Amino acid sequence: QQQVKQSPQSLIVQKGGISIINCAYENTAFDYFPWYQQFPGKGPALLIAIRPDVSEKKEGRFTISFNKSAKQFSLHIMDSQPGDSATYFCAASKQQGNQFYFGTGTSLTVIP
Amino acid sequence: EPEVTQTPSHQVTQMGQEVILRCVPISNHLYFYWYRQILGQKVEFLVSFYNNEISEKSEIFDDQFSVERPDGSNFTLKIRSTKLEDSAMYFCASNAGGFEQYFGPGTRLTVT
Repeated sequence: QQQVKQSPQSLIVQKGGISIINCAYENTAFDYFPWYQQFPGKGPALLIAIRPDVSEKKEGRFTISFNKSAKQFSLHIMDSQPGDSATYFCAASKQQGNQFYFGTGTSLTVIP
Repeated sequence: EPEVTQTPSHQVTQMGQEVILRCVPISNHLYFYWYRQILGQKVEFLVSFYNNEISEKSEIFDDQFSVERPDGSNFTLKIRSTKLEDSAMYFCASNAGGFEQYFGPGTRLTVT
């Protein structure tokens, strides 16, 4: 049973463009939704996260949009740069300290 | 900035052998986790550890696996009798008590 579904599997964006990655979940007990960035051979690094009490959170060029009724959340990368090329994972957790359920990942390539 | 460290970075072992993967979580963190990532796939939860005992474990974490916090700084994952399908990146993570989990760089385990 896949707790968190992520799309697309891969994404190619021109430099300066907007990258959008989507995730959907079923379990309404989820209470925390982070996005992780992973470069080849490295561990996942926390990028940005949101709780369901807000619909949007922005940190620099990265924005999470959250739709509680649709049980969906997305990552928007504005002004995408070649250095953003990495794999992005969404995740969800039920409560503090609990395990993360990860999405299947999106490989982002930003073309110069 | 404090970070999670893991050793070794790469471990090669023969099928049936025991391996111990080591992690030093961030100081003063309370929750410790092991996740694994088979090449090209999503990150999967194995086990979480809190207050010197397992707090959650997945179906993957069977009797072949065990975790230990032998002293105040190390957190280990032991695989008793490795199988070919145990080949993966193993990530340790730690959590200060909130939602955020910080991941180490991983240990690549290759079982031949």
